[in-house]
Amino acid sequence: QVQLKESGPGLVQPSQTLSLTCTVAGFSLTSYNVHWVRQPPGKGLEWMGVIWNTGGTRYNSALKSRLSISKDTSKSQVFLKMNSLQTEDTATYYCARSSTTGIPDYWGQGVMVTVSS
Amino acid sequence: DIVMTQSPSSLAVSAGETVTINCKSSQSLLYSGNQKNYLAWYQQKPGQSPKLLIYWASTRQSGVPDRFIGSGSGTDFTLTISSVQAEDLAIYYCQQYYDTPYTFGAGTKLELK
Repeated sequence: QVQLKESGPGLVQPSQTLSLTCTVAGFSLTSYNVHWVRQPPGKGLEWMGVIWNTGGTRYNSALKSRLSISKDTSKSQVFLKMNSLQTEDTATYYCARSSTTGIPDYWGQGVMVTVSS
Repeated sequence: DIVMTQSPSSLAVSAGETVTINCKSSQSLLYSGNQKNYLAWYQQKPGQSPKLLIYWASTRQSGVPDRFIGSGSGTDFTLTISSVQAEDLAIYYCQQYYDTPYTFGAGTKLELK
């Protein structure tokens, strides 16, 4: 059964670094890609970036200078790190998997992150 | 970046009606190498994560009712929901996966009239 679950701190102070983990089950990170997508409260979806099954990454240019995605295939985990957080980074953060087609088909439940002092 | 423009932003419907949601991309999503359109539709209900409905512009994901129909090619796409049911009330997003960043439309909120 395919599962993805995001975890991380619910509250981050401004200017600090956000660290999130996406733990997957039911598929291998050597065969599937994992995307990160975020959604500010009451707003739409923003694609943040992807780590390909090969380990390569691509980022949204608007976030590229602050964002890093990595993975530990042996632990079935994908990591997101984003620095210099501001209040506008308050959002629900989702991870989603895709096959080589690139279509995000299974999504995690999301984790709400609030940036506030 | 490819810009995705969705319309309308909201739609009030009665149960049993047929609705159409439009999505326009700033460049063609049709890849000549395989003649496929790199366009997906998602449904998001309150408090839930997005659910994939349609990919390749017109292929329904497994388990999606056949009242959801995707169509279009190139830069213009449509999601049609025939005989809307109460459970279809949600926000619908289109997304291109032709090139990174995989941009989304702003969403269309389907509400009850």
